[in-house]
Amino acid sequence: GDSVTQMEGPVTLSEEAFLTINCTYTATGYPSLFWYVQYPGEGLQLLLKATKADDKGSNKGFEATYRKETTSFHLEKGSVQVSDSAVYFCALSRGSGYSTLTFGKGTMLLVSP
Amino acid sequence: DSGVTQTPKHLITATGQRVTLRCSPRSGDLSVYWYQQSLDQGLQFLIQYYNGEERAKGNILERFSAQQFPDLHSELNLSSLELGDSALYFCASSVGSSGGSEQYFGPGTRLTVT
Repeated sequence: GDSVTQMEGPVTLSEEAFLTINCTYTATGYPSLFWYVQYPGEGLQLLLKATKADDKGSNKGFEATYRKETTSFHLEKGSVQVSDSAVYFCALSRGSGYSTLTFGKGTMLLVSP
Repeated sequence: DSGVTQTPKHLITATGQRVTLRCSPRSGDLSVYWYQQSLDQGLQFLIQYYNGEERAKGNILERFSAQQFPDLHSELNLSSLELGDSALYFCASSVGSSGGSEQYFGPGTRLTVT
């Protein structure tokens, strides 16, 4: 079945450091890929998405590129802020009329001043 | 604010009881999804409704059921509750049900079973 694997956290960084959170997936067909963010005590917010190979999703300085050859969708940001501290979830939907999401376990990011 | 509302925010109940969680989707969204978030299982898809009809089913226990009403709000019913049912339950909505559909999540209902 479909699955998403994310790097274990927490990831601890200083403000203005470069961020990478790795995400790889297993799915049949051509899934759509998403990154969601969950701030403490809140629901999930869509951060960015990509629906086909080589697409780059971007939002609020975060980027991720859909790499079909490596089945990856790594999240990057050039300079993190304290306000980026949250849990980040990589997810996929199978496509072909299936919109339900399969999530990774989440990666906690802690940014210190 | 995603536009998805969930009530109640918190629910504390005893084992063996039955509870109902309610979700109102964003205006114009036809799909509603339910997810369970727990420490050991992570985020798991339970069930999806699209315009009143069940569309997809995930890891939903037989003790759990859901429905979507004509006004598109949805309810998740959990019965014969067990300690292991304690979790955060999220509702999400999307306009359609195609693979790239963006889902918008509500703030969740935290269920504690004692």
